[in-house]
Amino acid sequence: GENVEQHPSTLSVQEGDSAVIKCTYSDSASNYFPWYKQELGKRPQLIIDIRSNVGEKKDQRIAVTLNKTAKHFSLHITETQPEDSAVYFCAASFPGGTSYGKLTFGQGTILTVHP
Amino acid sequence: DGGITQSPKYLFRKEGQNVTLSCEQNLNHDAMYWYRQDPGQGLRLIYYSQIVNDFQKGDIAEGYSVSREKKESFPLTVTSAQKNPTAFYLCASSTTGWPGELFFGEGSRLTVL
Repeated sequence: GENVEQHPSTLSVQEGDSAVIKCTYSDSASNYFPWYKQELGKRPQLIIDIRSNVGEKKDQRIAVTLNKTAKHFSLHITETQPEDSAVYFCAASFPGGTSYGKLTFGQGTILTVHP
Repeated sequence: DGGITQSPKYLFRKEGQNVTLSCEQNLNHDAMYWYRQDPGQGLRLIYYSQIVNDFQKGDIAEGYSVSREKKESFPLTVTSAQKNPTAFYLCASSTTGWPGELFFGEGSRLTVL
């Protein structure tokens, strides 16, 4: 099955700095890579996703890049703000068969943005 | 107000007891999922269901059981066979036409005493 490794496990930055979280996946058939943000005591929510036919996607201060050859993808947050402090999860999914609709998540990154 | 409702939010159980966690959604989603969240281990899939009366095991199904008798409901039973049941449990749903966004409930924290 799919295996997703996420690094770093914790990340501490100053407000205004950039933050980068990296994930690698094992199954070359994976074609969908979402990122979820979970604020303290709240439910995870989708913040951005990318499909394998795209190399980069941006949404205001966040962006995701995908390198299919190397089987890794990254989340980039620019101009970080204290409200970006949360746990971030990457995930990977591939279609077909009994695995339809199944996401495999990374271990999570605790991001702390210091004012 | 549409969404996913999990109950109870906190639950304490004695060893050897089964416990059932409720998950209800009014988003008209076909697919529903149960994840377990442990510190440093991310979200691990327990069971998922794409349609009523059908479900598949996830990566850590041992010691758990589910049912999907109604589209809106996907309860999870943590049985006494689950060796380390203390955890945070998240239910989610999504529309058909994968891939799609997962909508999560607020979670249930189970503590075994």
